[in-house]
Amino acid sequence: NAGVTQTPKFQVLKTGQSMTLQCAQDMNHNSMYWYRQDPGMGLRLIYYSASEGTTDKGEVPNGYNVSRLNKREFSLRLESAAPSQTSVYFCASSGGISSYEQYFGPGTRLTVT
Amino acid sequence: ILNVEQSPQSLHVQEGDSTNFTCSFPSSNFYALHWYRWETAKSPEALFVMTLNGDEKKKGRISATLNTKEGYSYLYIKGSQPEDSATYLCALHTGTASKLTFGTGTRLQVTL
Repeated sequence: NAGVTQTPKFQVLKTGQSMTLQCAQDMNHNSMYWYRQDPGMGLRLIYYSASEGTTDKGEVPNGYNVSRLNKREFSLRLESAAPSQTSVYFCASSGGISSYEQYFGPGTRLTVT
Repeated sequence: ILNVEQSPQSLHVQEGDSTNFTCSFPSSNFYALHWYRWETAKSPEALFVMTLNGDEKKKGRISATLNTKEGYSYLYIKGSQPEDSATYLCALHTGTASKLTFGTGTRLQVTL
């Protein structure tokens, strides 16, 4: 049981390049989330998917797109990376109807130069 | 945008000290309050999920209380140990969607 996995762990991009961050969970959870973590800002929600087939914007969605490929997988795409998107990205999932406790992946450290 | 505030931002205590910190949230939007522990270079891990006013939860030396009417929760650590060093996050769930709003965390450092 791997929990929540993310790939890659580290990535360096040049301004304007695109990339997709992958996330998968094996806990049969309905909901999945993408956060970014910046110094002094805590965790900020980028996009989330309450259930397979739905996605919604979070607090900081600009510059990102997401795909809920199936129940297990939720990807985050940067179409044209900018230095302001340098951050650590965490994927999370939750499945409980009453608790919404979230389980986090190990994070992806992205640097945009 | 919901305002979830944590204080203090950081805390430095000695081994054996007991400590506590605060999470404040708008009481009108309450469904559940989560506490997470986040060690450096790791991922956040859930400590408690609290839903009822007056709730008290305990896990080892760590406990939490909840006051939904006034919009705050306290996290207590009794007899701090170096392994308690981490950032402690609280998060508000309003129940209108499956998402959480996180505070910016309290960073605790415990030294010998």
